[in-house]
Amino acid sequence: SQTIHQWPATLVQPVGSPLSLECTVEGTSNPNLYWYRQAAGRGLQLLFYSVGIGQISSEVPQNLSASRPQDRQFILSSKKLLLSDSGFYLCAWSVAGRGNYGYTFGSGTRLTVV
Amino acid sequence: AQSVTQLDSHVSVSEGTPVLLRCNYSSSYSPSLFWYVQHPNKGLQLLLKYTSAATLVKGINGFEAEFKKSETSFHLTKPSAHMSDAAEYFCVVSDTGFQKLVFGTGTRLLVSP
Repeated sequence: SQTIHQWPATLVQPVGSPLSLECTVEGTSNPNLYWYRQAAGRGLQLLFYSVGIGQISSEVPQNLSASRPQDRQFILSSKKLLLSDSGFYLCAWSVAGRGNYGYTFGSGTRLTVV
Repeated sequence: AQSVTQLDSHVSVSEGTPVLLRCNYSSSYSPSLFWYVQHPNKGLQLLLKYTSAATLVKGINGFEAEFKKSETSFHLTKPSAHMSDAAEYFCVVSDTGFQKLVFGTGTRLLVSP
């Protein structure tokens, strides 16, 4: 069966420090991968999605970047964190070309920038 | 572009009473629609999905939703609320390329004893 792993679960980082969040999927090949952010009291905002290795689409301009170095690995990064980067970050995957099947989400990372 | 509107930011019910969470969608094509649930500090769990088959969709934990094209609605219901249903619920629509999901702003369900 397919599983998705996301870590760390919580993170407290100072302003200006770098960030690396990792997400891996098991039990499937060539998934579509997604990073979402959920700010306090707000809905989910799609940050990045990827349909293959090295293929990244950015939905909104921001202080973050994403990479997909391997088929089932998706990394969210920042060189210098801002206070506004605080939030709950969720990784998700779907069957390639079949977003209508729905996504499977990881358990999320709570990031607090101080 | 496709979108969903969740008509209530908060819904409060008593345990044992019916639940209704309302969602309207906008789509130029036959949409795929979903309801997800999120418990505090947890990831999202798929409750149910509509993908152009039966208009009444049954999901997990006793939830169901009815797709009404004439009303562009996909409301989520449950006959009898349980305390464990207290969570945030998201109505979601797929985009035309089926590559991305578009989320509503969420409805927080509060269940009192």
